[in-house]
Amino acid sequence: EIVLTQSPATLSVSPGERAALSCRASQSIGSNLAWYQQKPGQGPRLLIYRASTRATGIPARFSGSRSGTEFTLTISSLQSEDFAVYYCQQYNDWPPFTFGPGTKVDIK
Amino acid sequence: EVQLVESGGGLAQPGGSLRLSCAASGFTFSHYSMNWVRQAPGKGLEWVSYITSSSTTIFYADSVKGRFTVSRDNAKNSLFLQMNSLRDEDTAVYYCARDMEKFDLWGRGTLVTVSS
Repeated sequence: EIVLTQSPATLSVSPGERAALSCRASQSIGSNLAWYQQKPGQGPRLLIYRASTRATGIPARFSGSRSGTEFTLTISSLQSEDFAVYYCQQYNDWPPFTFGPGTKVDIK
Repeated sequence: EVQLVESGGGLAQPGGSLRLSCAASGFTFSHYSMNWVRQAPGKGLEWVSYITSSSTTIFYADSVKGRFTVSRDNAKNSLFLQMNSLRDEDTAVYYCARDMEKFDLWGRGTLVTVSS
């Protein structure tokens, strides 16, 4: 089973600042990684798939990148609605689909 | 509106059963694979089960294999999860999620609480 590790667990950022969230896979998963945003009381929302492709309707301030087994979600200028928990998920080797433990982005 | 709406959650005793439903609307349900994903209180996401559009292929997480059964009714645009032999650790919000690999549409979830 592929294990995903996310860091940091919590990221405190001021509105307008840039945020970079990391997700590392325990083995090669190619670019088969997705990022999700989850707000309290809501289901997750797909942001990025195939490591760097924005899902439909996702603002351009969200971007994804890959370097080997290290993946990064970058939010270029945080808006108030971006404070949430972010999860990565691999779909290269399944079942099972696996998720990272999440990074909470809160207001500094 | 394109959406998924889960229902059927509630309180169950250890060893008991519940049946969850997920109603799809706004898209051609029969064209998509579907999944169940759960989230224990204050915890992260855990994939539970996958079913193809025609129900020909089904997978389960090891934690629920032999206890949970996923099914669907394409004529009624509905996905189901029959949960038997429930355990305390099955307590979670259960989400249905669309598609294979990347989950591009999620519902708001239904809470299942297993407690005596």
